[in-house]
Amino acid sequence: QKEVEQNSGPLSVPEGAIASLNCTYSDRGSQSFFWYRQYSGKSPELIMSIYSNGDKEDGRFTAQLNKASQYVSLLIRDSQPSDSATYLCAVSGYSSASKIIFGSGTRLSIRP
Amino acid sequence: DVKVTQSSRYLVKRTGEKVFLECVQDMDHENMFWYRQDPGLGLRLIYFSYDVKMKEKGDIPEGYSVSREKKERFSLILESASTNQTSMYLCASSAGQVYGYTFGSGTRLTVV
Repeated sequence: QKEVEQNSGPLSVPEGAIASLNCTYSDRGSQSFFWYRQYSGKSPELIMSIYSNGDKEDGRFTAQLNKASQYVSLLIRDSQPSDSATYLCAVSGYSSASKIIFGSGTRLSIRP
Repeated sequence: DVKVTQSSRYLVKRTGEKVFLECVQDMDHENMFWYRQDPGLGLRLIYFSYDVKMKEKGDIPEGYSVSREKKERFSLILESASTNQTSMYLCASSAGQVYGYTFGSGTRLTVV
């Protein structure tokens, strides 16, 4: 079992709709959770972080965390063509020496 | 904003050459990381460092070494470049795993 699992996609969503990206993780001790956006040929960019159960909203983005189910999701409202990218889920553990573990990413395509 | 600067955006080297990839961050971060990213394989950790003169192997250290003589600079060295080291190399820095990573713009290395 991979430590951080994501569906590779591609996930195709019509413009203006809600895009829902999902991620599961295996380490129950995980404490910090991140979503990165990566455009083709570019480096990953941190767009959301979440640390406690529930929802965290930032503009059109909402991160959701359920530690009991070991599940993290990212919702993108009013999807735009500029949201087309690969989204990486990343998770880190309790210890300060813990590295961040990245999922392999979900490719999102917003169709006009 | 934290800035992580990688010295070259594109690099072409010959098989057997010694290759240096440089990374500099300007926010006094303790932690620095080197990843490579290949299609279908995601981000793979090569080496990381939690302090000056400190280094730890990641998941795929073979064929690589690193140097961290100053806090702001973390260098990746390919001792004898081979064609299977053709990849996108990404440097990242972090104030701590709670904060996530900031990535540099990447170096696309081609070994011919």
